[in-house]
Parts: sequence; structure tokens; C-alpha cells
Amino acid sequence: GQQVMQIPQYQHVQEGEDFTTYCNSSTTLSNIQWYKQRPGGHPVFLIQLVKSGEVKKQKRLTFQFGEAKKNSSLHITATQTTDVGTYFCAGDTGTASKLTFGTGTRLQVTL
Amino acid sequence: DAGITQSPRHKVTETGTPVTLRCHQTENHRYMYWYRQDPGHGLRLIHYSYGVKDTDKGEVSDGYSVSRSKTEDFLLTLESATSSQTSVYFCAISEGRQGNAEAFFGQGTRLTVV
Repeated sequence: GQQVMQIPQYQHVQEGEDFTTYCNSSTTLSNIQWYKQRPGGHPVFLIQLVKSGEVKKQKRLTFQFGEAKKNSSLHITATQTTDVGTYFCAGDTGTASKLTFGTGTRLQVTL
Repeated sequence: DAGITQSPRHKVTETGTPVTLRCHQTENHRYMYWYRQDPGHGLRLIHYSYGVKDTDKGEVSDGYSVSRSKTEDFLLTLESATSSQTSVYFCAISEGRQGNAEAFFGQGTRLTVV
């Protein structure tokens, strides 16, 4: 079945440093979504990417969908303590009404 | 936050007992999902529903059943709870099929099987 892996599993940064998480799918995706889960909270939708090579920005967050539509990345510029949480990608192959979530990257930011 | 409520929020149960978790939505969304979240595994889909009485299995459906008798409620039943089913369970809803639409998650239910 489809597998979606994320690296790294965990990253600890100093506030102000940049952060990137990578998402890789075993199969070609029709689109990809990103979610953020704060500690003790529930996943919250951030963005959806659909087109090959697509890049979207939300303030300090930059999302990219690979040309082959099998990978994606989330880059945070100048992290803040409010960025703490686990970031999940979720891929859709377009063949079923469901997403396959990645394993997540937990981000810790300290002052 | 979307109108989605999970109950109970916390439950401790004994091995071998049946357990039912409830997801209630006020958004009239067609699609509803049950996930479990475990360290190192992310979110794994248990079952989902694409309409009243229309359900399908996810990747970790063994030992679980679901029912959806009306649009707003999606029930997850552990027929005979086992310790391996200790987890945090999330319900999610989406207006369109999940690949095309944003999913809204409930607050989660922490289930402990002793």
C-alpha cells in the first residue's frame, strides 16, 4: 500500500533558526496537504498543493510540491516558539476518498 | 473551529470489553473519518464514511467496526478491547472527498485499555 515518510522525525532549533521537513511518497500523488498539531492538540489544516512544482507561502512558511509529485517540503524561516508542534504531510493518490498521513516531524523551538 | 465533538474525551476500560466512541458534527459534511494516533506511526486511518450507511475500511480496521445511521454521527466500536488499542483516537470530517478538501479534526479521545 501507499507509504508516506517524513524526515526528520524530530528537530530541535533555537528561535530564529530555519526549519525544514521533507515528505516522500512511495507512489505519485494527485495532491498533498499539510497539517500542524500543537502538543496535546488536534491536527489543523495548513495548506493543499495540487500542481507539479507548486510553491505556496504563508508568512514564514513555504510549501513545495515536487516536480514528480512524489515529494513535498515545508520550510519555516526564522522559527518562533509558536511554531512548536508536529507537522504532518498527507498524500492523496486520487483513487480513494482518503489521505495517507506521513509519520510527522516534531519541532521543538527554544529561546 | 468546525463543529465536531468527540465523546468521551478520556476513557479507561478493561481488556475484552466493548467500547464505543462517538463523533458528532454540526457541519453537515458528507465525509467522516476515524484515525488512531500512536508514537512513531502518525495518524492511521481506521474506517471512513462517505455518506449515511456508507462506510469503508482504512489501513488498520481489524478489531474495529463503525456505523453511521445519520449524517451527524459516526460511531467507532472496539468489539473486544485489547491493550494494543490503547491510543488517541481522532475523528475528522470533510465536505468533499478527503484528498480534495480540508479535513477538520475533533479534539481526540484518549483510550486506555488495561
